[in-house]
Amino acid sequence: GESVGLHLPTLSVQEGDNSIINCAYSNSASDYFIWYKQESGKGPQFIIDIRSNMDKRQGQRVTVLLNKTVKHLSLQIAATQPGDSAVYFCAEKGTDKLIFGTGTRLQVFP
Amino acid sequence: DVKVTQSSRYLVKRTGEKVFLECVQDMDHENMFWYRQDPGLGLRLIYFSYDVKMKEKGDIPEGYSVSREKKERFSLILESASTNQTSMYLCASRDPSTNEKLFFGSGTQLSVL
Repeated sequence: GESVGLHLPTLSVQEGDNSIINCAYSNSASDYFIWYKQESGKGPQFIIDIRSNMDKRQGQRVTVLLNKTVKHLSLQIAATQPGDSAVYFCAEKGTDKLIFGTGTRLQVFP
Repeated sequence: DVKVTQSSRYLVKRTGEKVFLECVQDMDHENMFWYRQDPGLGLRLIYFSYDVKMKEKGDIPEGYSVSREKKERFSLILESASTNQTSMYLCASRDPSTNEKLFFGSGTQLSVL
């Protein structure tokens, strides 16, 4: 069956450094991927998405990379700030629904 | 921006009670979803609705039902609450004609005692 996982449950980075959060997916037929950020006590907030016909997509301080060969997705956050502290999770769309990963907690320390 | 509003941020109920969780979205989205979020398990889909009066079971529908009488409102019902339904409940909506992106509410933390 489909599964979406994360390599690291917790990532600690220093303020100003770049962060890389990874995600593995198992369904090679998935054609859409999305990253969400969830701050404590809040609902998930959309960050960036990418379709399978692309390898890279950039937003404001964030970049998503898609490697279909190894079924790997990553979220890169440039110049990480304290406000980036949150749980980040990816999701893939295989058939008609999004399948969510369990999340990685990003901790930013001064 | 899309706004998805869940009526309660925190709820405490007793075992056996009937519980209603309400969700309203203001962007005329056709699709609406209910998830529960538990530590280590991620988001699991309970029920979804592609349009008014329509409902479909998700991955974990047991113990739940839903109602979609109006396009903007999607209600989750726990017919007889049990302690294993203690969880964070998240409502989401989507415009299927634009993209797959879900817009989430802030969640309702339900505790069943």
